[in-house]
Amino acid sequence: EAGVAQSPRYKIIEKRQSVAFWCNPISGHATLYWYQQILGQGPKLLIQFQNNGVVDDSQLPKDRFSAERLKGVDSTLKIQPAKLEDSAVYLCASSDNRGGYEQYFGPGTRLTVT
Amino acid sequence: AQSVTQPDIHITVSEGASLELRCNYSYGATPYLFWYVQSPGQGLQLLLKYFSGDTLVQGIKGFEAEFKRSQSSFNLRKPSVHWSDAAEYFCAVDGSGTYKYIFGTGTRLKVLA
Repeated sequence: EAGVAQSPRYKIIEKRQSVAFWCNPISGHATLYWYQQILGQGPKLLIQFQNNGVVDDSQLPKDRFSAERLKGVDSTLKIQPAKLEDSAVYLCASSDNRGGYEQYFGPGTRLTVT
Repeated sequence: AQSVTQPDIHITVSEGASLELRCNYSYGATPYLFWYVQSPGQGLQLLLKYFSGDTLVQGIKGFEAEFKRSQSSFNLRKPSVHWSDAAEYFCAVDGSGTYKYIFGTGTRLKVLA
């Protein structure tokens, strides 16, 4: 079974530029999550999708961050414009909602904003 | 509000020594509890989880954890650490089986040869 795929793995941009991250969850997983992990901290949930609908985006800075999950499969997270404090690892995870309560994580995208 | 505390930011142990990583949570009922490991440049991998039943749970890579309701703790243990265990370890709580986690701040483990 293929794991959660993310791209790119690394990205360096200047502040005020825009950036997009892509995630392909495990096949058949209905729920997809985007987390932000700042150095020295645990992952923080940004947005949770159930199929192609948003379940929770309460911690997503909506003035600059947006995310979509078209067709309930792949997802894209965008930042526009980026700020220095957005430097972090962005993790995508998925779960199958079949009672195991486990989330499966991708390798993450390390974003550096200069 | 739910919270997870990992009191130790860094822990250093010698290879072959025993290990215990602490995790305390704040939640009204018995939460769903998880330990994940993150190696450098990698995503998070599940070590073990607890929902109910036997309070001592076994995981992968020789790890185990014990749920203690009276102490609101879910500490991770390993009897003999290997150099490959050097990584960052995260405790996570899912308050009521909602598939929504709150993570602790992590404990970075260093293993001395």
